[in-house]
Amino acid sequence: AQSVTQLGSHVSVSEGALVLLRCNYSSSVPPYLFWYVQYPNQGLQLLLKYTTGATLVKGINGFEAEFKKSETSFHLTKPSAHMSDAAEYFCAVSPSPYSGGGADGLTFGKGTHLIIQP
Amino acid sequence: DTGVSQDPRHKITKRGQNVTFRCDPISEHNRLYWYRQTLGQGPEFLTYFQNEAQLEKSRLLSDRFSAERPKGSFSTLEIQRTEQGDSAMYLCASSQTRGDTQYFGPGTRLTVL
Repeated sequence: AQSVTQLGSHVSVSEGALVLLRCNYSSSVPPYLFWYVQYPNQGLQLLLKYTTGATLVKGINGFEAEFKKSETSFHLTKPSAHMSDAAEYFCAVSPSPYSGGGADGLTFGKGTHLIIQP
Repeated sequence: DTGVSQDPRHKITKRGQNVTFRCDPISEHNRLYWYRQTLGQGPEFLTYFQNEAQLEKSRLLSDRFSAERPKGSFSTLEIQRTEQGDSAMYLCASSQTRGDTQYFGPGTRLTVL
């Protein structure tokens, strides 16, 4: 079984400040980890993903995330927030294809609404 | 690459009516997924197909829900005897293979009156 916890349903930062969105996961098998962004009335867009290898993953729009196995975390950061970053952010997990079994659906957290203050 | 498309984008129906949604995945993507997203929540997995075979169904998928992907291309999701609790955004996604990035469509917003 898998689960994702996103701490903070709403996060507010000033424009130009550091963005930190927290994600912790629970998985009985090695996971793949994802961050998606959703703008109002739109579908989800992939920001970045971790599969194997380097634990610091860089994504689009200046975002990056670090996989920490010992902390079961995959926090999303951006050094300097921009007004256009205001959106809903979702952390998600799926079983690695090499973990056996057939399950393939993503398990999402409840999301964090990022607010950018001018 | 035209992306994942869904039709309709919005559907308003009365309780008890049947509704059907369509999803066209990215061409050459073998896997197609359906998710449901309610207000203030993350998407919840419903079911997925590899080509035309439906390989997994969530417990969320009650007997009133049925999904098909008859020729391994587009998919339909039908809800029979709709209930107010079915009001949600229904998202479709596709990927090339297991573990690959899932690309999402814009969703179909269902409102059951």
